[in-house]
Amino acid sequence: KAGVTQTPRYLIKTRGQQVTLSCSPISGHRSVSWYQQTPGQGLQFLFEYFSETQRNKGNFPGRFSGRQFSNSRSEMNVSTLELGDSALYLCASSLGGGQFYEQYFGPGTRLTVT
Amino acid sequence: SQQGEEDPQALSIQEGENATMNCSYKTSINNLQWYRQNSGRGLVHLILIRSNEREKHSGRLRVTLDTSKKSSSLLITASRAADTASYFCATDEDRGSTLGRLYFGRGTQLTVWP
Repeated sequence: KAGVTQTPRYLIKTRGQQVTLSCSPISGHRSVSWYQQTPGQGLQFLFEYFSETQRNKGNFPGRFSGRQFSNSRSEMNVSTLELGDSALYLCASSLGGGQFYEQYFGPGTRLTVT
Repeated sequence: SQQGEEDPQALSIQEGENATMNCSYKTSINNLQWYRQNSGRGLVHLILIRSNEREKHSGRLRVTLDTSKKSSSLLITASRAADTASYFCATDEDRGSTLGRLYFGRGTQLTVWP
């Protein structure tokens, strides 16, 4: 099976712009979670989607949003970019989204905000 | 807030030696997962251990879980230079509101010298 794919792999944006990142989960997986990784804060949970519904959300401002499509692919959007949004954005997919399933991560999207 | 905390923060060993990393967490969990991350890349899933399991093996990896002490350890036997990476433990929480969410520690940076 193909693993989790994320596009694009690298992005450079300017403050104030918006960005959309895409994640394709492992075939058959219905849960997609998003994480932000920075040297200062480590890995922080953004949100999780299961069957097109957001079930869980971390402590991020409303500028961070996401959605999931019927084929389980997910996108996250960051509007009005700030310098502090520079990070590695990781998505993970899971079979059922419950507590007993492994989460498999994609290679990440490296976002740089200038 | 982060649930898991790895110890030590950094570990440097020679090829062929064993590497042991520890993880402590704060709340009741359903399962604990270990991940590896090579510099700036995605997380690679290593092993999942459920709260009712005490030990699990996968190749050169051995994971233990002590729920009474809220701690886990990851042992890599006969380390290789290719094992050089950051290692993270990730836990869920035994609460329904945290579906799909993993809590990560800061990680242990393992360096294996040839």
